[in-house]
Amino acid sequence: NAGVTQTPKFQVLKTGQSMTLQCAQDMNHEYMSWYRQDPGMGLRLIHYSVGAGITDQGEVPNGYNVSRSTTEDFPLRLLSAAPSQTSVYFCASRPGRGQSGELFFGEGSRLTVL
Amino acid sequence: GNSVTQMEGPVTLSEEAFLTINCTYTATGYPSLFWYVQYPGEGLQLLLKATKADDKGSNKGFEATYRKETTSFHLEKGSVQVSDSAVYFCALVNTGNQFYFGTGTSLTVIP
Repeated sequence: NAGVTQTPKFQVLKTGQSMTLQCAQDMNHEYMSWYRQDPGMGLRLIHYSVGAGITDQGEVPNGYNVSRSTTEDFPLRLLSAAPSQTSVYFCASRPGRGQSGELFFGEGSRLTVL
Repeated sequence: GNSVTQMEGPVTLSEEAFLTINCTYTATGYPSLFWYVQYPGEGLQLLLKATKADDKGSNKGFEATYRKETTSFHLEKGSVQVSDSAVYFCALVNTGNQFYFGTGTSLTVIP
């Protein structure tokens, strides 16, 4: 069972570079989301999607773009990386309907911006 | 609005000690409540959940009871093991899909 797959696991960027973090899930989940995890801050929602073609902003969307062209994939793009975007990024998904469904997480992508 | 507050860490316990990690929430209506665990270098995984008042979630010796009157969902374990060392997150989801997480509590269990 693959679940939620994130790539790459580690990445080092220079300030101003762009990159895409990939996320794919094979559970046919409608809802997908991206979080960043920083020490002492817990998890903060960046962007989320409730289905193909639909995306919305979370708590900390600035500097990030997303798209959802298929149910399976939800890439996160950093347009011009900044040191403040050094973090661990998690993709997560859940079934779209009902409050009781758990959120399934990928293993994380650790990004360092120099 | 919706929010989760959990006790600050880090928490250090000796093996076989009793564990409590406090979690309180603010929400309108009737949210579902969750505890997630994150082992070093890994993503978060569900530990237990409760979907209505007075429900008790349990897994791997951990328990938490959904207390609407005190808006709490405290995590407990009677006898911790070294393998329980991890970061624990309390979370809620309300109407809609968005999860709200606490800041996490780091637990270290020493032999």
